Amino acid sequence: AQSVSQHNHHVILSEAASLELGCNYSYGGTVNLFWYVQYPGQHLQLLLKYFSGDPLVKGIKGFEAEFIKSKFSFNLRKPSVQWSDTAEYFCAVTTGGSYIPTFGRGTSLIVHP
Amino acid sequence: KAGVTQTPRYLIKTRGQQVTLSCSPISGHRSVSWYQQTPGQGLQFLFEYFSETQRNKGNFPGRFSGRQFSNSRSEMNVSTLELGDSALYLCASRGGLRGETQYFGPGTRLLVL
Repeated sequence: AQSVSQHNHHVILSEAASLELGCNYSYGGTVNLFWYVQYPGQHLQLLLKYFSGDPLVKGIKGFEAEFIKSKFSFNLRKPSVQWSDTAEYFCAVTTGGSYIPTFGRGTSLIVHP
Repeated sequence: KAGVTQTPRYLIKTRGQQVTLSCSPISGHRSVSWYQQTPGQGLQFLFEYFSETQRNKGNFPGRFSGRQFSNSRSEMNVSTLELGDSALYLCASRGGLRGETQYFGPGTRLLVL
């Protein structure tokens, strides 16, 4: 079975700092990759997704992620974070013909104003 | 389109009781999935329903059950509640160009005392 690892469990940054959250998956075949965000008190929402094509994917709110197949990674980046980016971030993967994503444990991001 | 809705938003129950949670998917979505979210385990898949049939099931005991109605609304039932069942229960309906993306509701927060 596939698994997803998010190595950073808690990240604390100051506003305007750059962000990179790591995500690695274990599956050798075709994957679809997702990043979801859960703002405090809000529901889980899709930030961006990758299915095929350009491995650099741009999402909402200035986020982007790069799929590196050789490293089984799909890291999330943002050049300059804002206080409003404080949230929990989840990486997820679907494999083969399955539509059921496997989620990582999540990374809690706190941005200080 | 209206998003995924879940009722109730909060529940307090005692051990041994049972509970029923409800989910209404985005209009036109026929697949509904349920997840349990806890701080220690992250998001864990419970089951998926499509056109009133359970198509996938996660690794949860038989106390967790669900069903889907002809209008795609879904219910999840947990019988003989245990303290460890305290969690945020998320419902998601599947959409996107190829039906590959999960859209989540706000969740039902269940506290078992």
